Amino acid sequence: DVKVTQSSRYLVKRTGEKVFLECVQDMDHENMFWYRQDPGLGLRLIYFSYDVKMKEKGDIPEGYSVSREKKERFSLILESASTNQTSMYLCASSPLLNTEAFFGQGTRLTVV
Amino acid sequence: DAKTTQPPSMDCAEGRAANLPCNHSTISGNEYVYWYRQIHSQGPQYIIHGLKNNETNEMASLIITEDRKSSTLILPHATLRDTAVYYCIVRARFYNQGGKLIFGQGTELSVKP
Repeated sequence: DVKVTQSSRYLVKRTGEKVFLECVQDMDHENMFWYRQDPGLGLRLIYFSYDVKMKEKGDIPEGYSVSREKKERFSLILESASTNQTSMYLCASSPLLNTEAFFGQGTRLTVV
Repeated sequence: DAKTTQPPSMDCAEGRAANLPCNHSTISGNEYVYWYRQIHSQGPQYIIHGLKNNETNEMASLIITEDRKSSTLILPHATLRDTAVYYCIVRARFYNQGGKLIFGQGTELSVKP
């Protein structure tokens, strides 16, 4: 079975902390994505990466950065966490060409 | 912005077919129609995709109109486990043609006994 694994299911951090959300896929996919999901707003794309060390901004990149040093790992970084970044974060991966994307189970981040 | 329009919610009786519509009137020639669903507290799950021909797999059928401006996802025999939010997405084949996966608001399908 294909697998996208997010490092934590639940996370509680303090305002101002630097937060790392890790995502690993075992399918040798080129594309990886980070989304956040909030009630009433649906899934919104934060960043995506189509190759190692390559990244593109999504619709809501402000307050976030990403790192892709290895093909299988895509990290989302909150440089200074704020309460409005409390959300469900979802990672996904897909092959380069047009096909399905696979999602992780999500990390529910609470910033207090 | 999402390029699709879906009804916010639908109900379906268990065992009956669920037909979920989607409008994508601005779809371009290199864009595919994708369907995903998200069951509560889980990550989205791929269902099916197509370009212009109708498609069927073990989960569902996808009917795309001839002008490609709309499509319908059909779950032939809905069960209670099909209760979920269903997302219709248009996506280009390659990333440099806009191949990001952009979700809209989706349709919340409730399958009732």
